[in-house]
Amino acid sequence: GAGVSQSPSNKVTEKGKDVELRCDPISGHTALYWYRQSLGQGLEFLIYFQGNSAPDKSGLPSDRFSAERTGGSVSTLTIQRTQQEDSAVYLCASSIVGAGTEAFFGQGTRLTVV
Amino acid sequence: SQQGEEDPQALSIQEGENATMNCSYKTSINNLQWYRQNSGRGLVHLILIRSNEREKHSGRLRVTLDTSKKSSSLLITASRAADTASYFCATRDRGSTLGRLYFGRGTQLTVWP
Repeated sequence: GAGVSQSPSNKVTEKGKDVELRCDPISGHTALYWYRQSLGQGLEFLIYFQGNSAPDKSGLPSDRFSAERTGGSVSTLTIQRTQQEDSAVYLCASSIVGAGTEAFFGQGTRLTVV
Repeated sequence: SQQGEEDPQALSIQEGENATMNCSYKTSINNLQWYRQNSGRGLVHLILIRSNEREKHSGRLRVTLDTSKKSSSLLITASRAADTASYFCATRDRGSTLGRLYFGRGTQLTVWP
C-alpha cells in the first residue's frame, strides 16, 4: 500500500478481554515501531522491530502486552486482560533502516476499555 | 530517558505571527527530527537536521540545532490557521545500534484566524 495501515481504527472492548491491533507497514520498510499515546500526552515507546534482529521490547509496560512481526512485514500488538488504563491511541510506524531516516506513521488505533 | 522535551506545552497565536517551539534532549544524537500531529492521529515528518548542521530551512519552517546546549527550535513563519496541530521533536541516540526514535511530549499550537 501507499502508507502504513492500521486496523481497526477504533476498538471498544470490555475490561478483561484480549485485543489484537494490526499494522501493515510500507513495503520494503524493515523497521517497525509501536507507540502508545494517552489523551493529550506524548508518544510512549512500546516496541521496535528491525529486520531479523531480536526486537527491542523494553517499552512494553507489562507482560500483558506482546507483539510479533510475521515474515518481516505485518505486525500484531496483543493486549491481554485489558485494563481501563490501557485506553489510548496505539500508533505504528515504519521506516527503512538508517540513522537519518524518517518514520512514516499510520493513523493509529483508538482503544477504549470500558 | 532519552526523551526530548518540548516547550512551551501550548502556544496560541494569531494568523500571520511567527511560532517558535523548543526542544531539549539528554544525550548525544545522530539527528533530530520534527513531526506534526493533527487531531491525535498519525504523525507526519516535517524536517530532519543532522548533528553537524546548525540550521535548516523548508518552506516556512526553520529549524536550528545547538548540540552544545542539547536543544533545537522550530520556527514557523507567517503562521496560518491550518498550522494548528501538535508538534513533536524526535531523536535517535548517536552510535546506537537500536533505531528507536524518542519523542517528546509535544507543543500544542493553536493559530487563530
